[in-house]
Amino acid sequence: ELKVEQNPLFLSMQEGKNYTIYCNYSTTSDRLYWYRQDPGKSLESLFVLLSNGAVKQEGRLMASLDTKARLSTLHITAAVHDLSATYFCAVDNFEEGAQKLVFGQGTRLTINP
Amino acid sequence: DVKVTQSSRYLVKRTGEKVFLECVQDMDHENMFWYRQDPGLGLRLIYFSYDVKMKEKGDIPEGYSVSREKKERFSLILESASTNQTSMYLCASSYIEQSLWGNQPQHFGDGTRLSIL
Repeated sequence: ELKVEQNPLFLSMQEGKNYTIYCNYSTTSDRLYWYRQDPGKSLESLFVLLSNGAVKQEGRLMASLDTKARLSTLHITAAVHDLSATYFCAVDNFEEGAQKLVFGQGTRLTINP
Repeated sequence: DVKVTQSSRYLVKRTGEKVFLECVQDMDHENMFWYRQDPGLGLRLIYFSYDVKMKEKGDIPEGYSVSREKKERFSLILESASTNQTSMYLCASSYIEQSLWGNQPQHFGDGTRLSIL
């Protein structure tokens, strides 16, 4: 059974600082997705990572995938208040059939001025 | 832009009622999904469908059923609502390429917050 674990689950940080959210998963997969959710809002796709060593960047966010370590990271550089949200990683459990995504618990990120 | 529309943002029902949650997407996506979101548990897949009249169980299908009579519409049915089904329900859709090659994300609706009293 595929399990996906994120840490930390809660993160409070100051503007201008750097930090990393970790996403570990338990079985082989090379399809990993990062989403952002603002309070009361839908999930917004951030990154699609499809191979070992994949790295994608958008603004102050950078995501990477290490399929051998079964680990993805979401790095935040010089955080700003607008990045406050809950971030989810999701892994495609395609061994059990078409795109059964398994989500992590989510990391609630609060960025303080 | 992809638009996934869920019929209600908030819904209050009573134990034992039959509850219908509706989802419509406007991008001709083949795949549609229903998730429930609970604090500390992330999103969990209830059912999905990759074609009209086709359905597949997700990780937590017990107590739920689904219907897909038209490509753009996917309904979640709580046959006899119970208090442990109080949750946020999210619908999503994607192109078939997402399941074949993984290169497309799923697109989500705004969610329905369902309370069962």
